[in-house]
Amino acid sequence: DSGVTQTPKHLITATGQRVTLRCSPRSGDLSVYWYQQSLDQGLQFLIQYYNGEERAKGNILERFSAQQFPDLHSELNLSSLELGDSALYFCASSVAQQGRAETQYFGPGTRLLVL
Amino acid sequence: AQSVAQPEDQVNVAEGNPLTVKCTYSVSGNPYLFWYVQYPNRGLQFLLKYITGDNLVKGSYGFEAEFNKSQTSFHLKKPSALVSDSALYFCAVRDASNTGKLIFGQGTTLQVKP
Repeated sequence: DSGVTQTPKHLITATGQRVTLRCSPRSGDLSVYWYQQSLDQGLQFLIQYYNGEERAKGNILERFSAQQFPDLHSELNLSSLELGDSALYFCASSVAQQGRAETQYFGPGTRLLVL
Repeated sequence: AQSVAQPEDQVNVAEGNPLTVKCTYSVSGNPYLFWYVQYPNRGLQFLLKYITGDNLVKGSYGFEAEFNKSQTSFHLKKPSALVSDSALYFCAVRDASNTGKLIFGQGTTLQVKP
């Protein structure tokens, strides 16, 4: 157990809908990262937050957004869902923003299926 | 741009034999390299990382990795494979933009047969 929790574990929804994925980082970790794992794209970085502020953006669609709250948990919002958004979404956390090769610890993921 | 390549989609080994999962990288500056393992329906588990220093890095579950700067490689190794090592293995490099984000290889499935 990495100490990173994600809810829900599974999500099934329809095209055009909006969902929210939740992540609680390890105790003491200030950075949260979101990654998407799909068969065609592999593991791709989406976005990073550090202590409530956005720090880096990767291949994140405009339909997707995220935030990190004062208690450091993070939410990833996916809207106007398309079939191609079906994937496994991981949250990871680390202690600081840009520490020297800090280890990121991953949660169990949320499996999203868009029908 | 930073990149990582795992040239083998699948590696098959017999239990008790040594295993190697290959990874090559392309980075500007000093590479910070990681190995993660993903078991079915589970998240990624950290195995080991290379920052600097000794080229042989020891990690969890008896795994180790050898950093080779001249060959830009960071191969994952284990002297004696277990059936329970069967999983999907990812090599990753820390992005040079200093954000801490990881760039992953495409993954290699390790199959250990009894």
